[in-house]
Amino acid sequence: DAKTTQPPSMDCAEGRAANLPCNHSTISGNEYVYWYRQIHSQGPQYIIHGLKNNETNEMASLIITEDRKSSTLILPHATLRDTAVYYCIVRLSGNTPLVFGKGTRLSVIA
Amino acid sequence: AAGVIQSPRHLIKEKRETATLKCYPIPRHDTVYWYQQGPGQDPQFLISFYEKMQSDKGSIPDRFSAQQFSDYHSELNMSSLELGDSALYFCASSVHDYLRGYEQFFGPGTRLTVL
Repeated sequence: DAKTTQPPSMDCAEGRAANLPCNHSTISGNEYVYWYRQIHSQGPQYIIHGLKNNETNEMASLIITEDRKSSTLILPHATLRDTAVYYCIVRLSGNTPLVFGKGTRLSVIA
Repeated sequence: AAGVIQSPRHLIKEKRETATLKCYPIPRHDTVYWYQQGPGQDPQFLISFYEKMQSDKGSIPDRFSAQQFSDYHSELNMSSLELGDSALYFCASSVHDYLRGYEQFFGPGTRLTVL
């Protein structure tokens, strides 16, 4: 079973920051937080991952709370092409499978 | 950049028939994963292979089998097809590299319709 809880849907105005929360209160010390997204039946796409430090890449930023029980994915300037289902996944490091939960359906509105 | 290739992209079968889905991972990727996504559902892990050996097994029915070949491509064989097998089937590949975060790259999927 998925170890994460996400809101089922969110809206965001185009050009604004999208902040997607995720609760993972049962995360263990050696598990990472990964974010993937799926745009309308395409294959899921990796966004970012982290263990306990905040991370940033060209797509997004990941903020992990100090107790690691929750995190927030930030898309700094959302565009219409960011409309997708976003999945927060807790996972051990290594070639382990992804366990997808329900995800958050983000709608970016013009 | 090369991506994961899946074939066929669309497949229509009758109940009780068999189907074979193929996956060609990104060059030099050593791990292949198979996922199933039913209509309106989230992707579910089926099975994975690392260096041609099965590494993890998820909710894969006994009617399904899979393998990874010496050239690292993988095939998912599905027998005695049922209506409920209609779904998108994704293949993903990754490389065993800590610095790259074991990121999985997904293919475009094969849409299987069972009539």
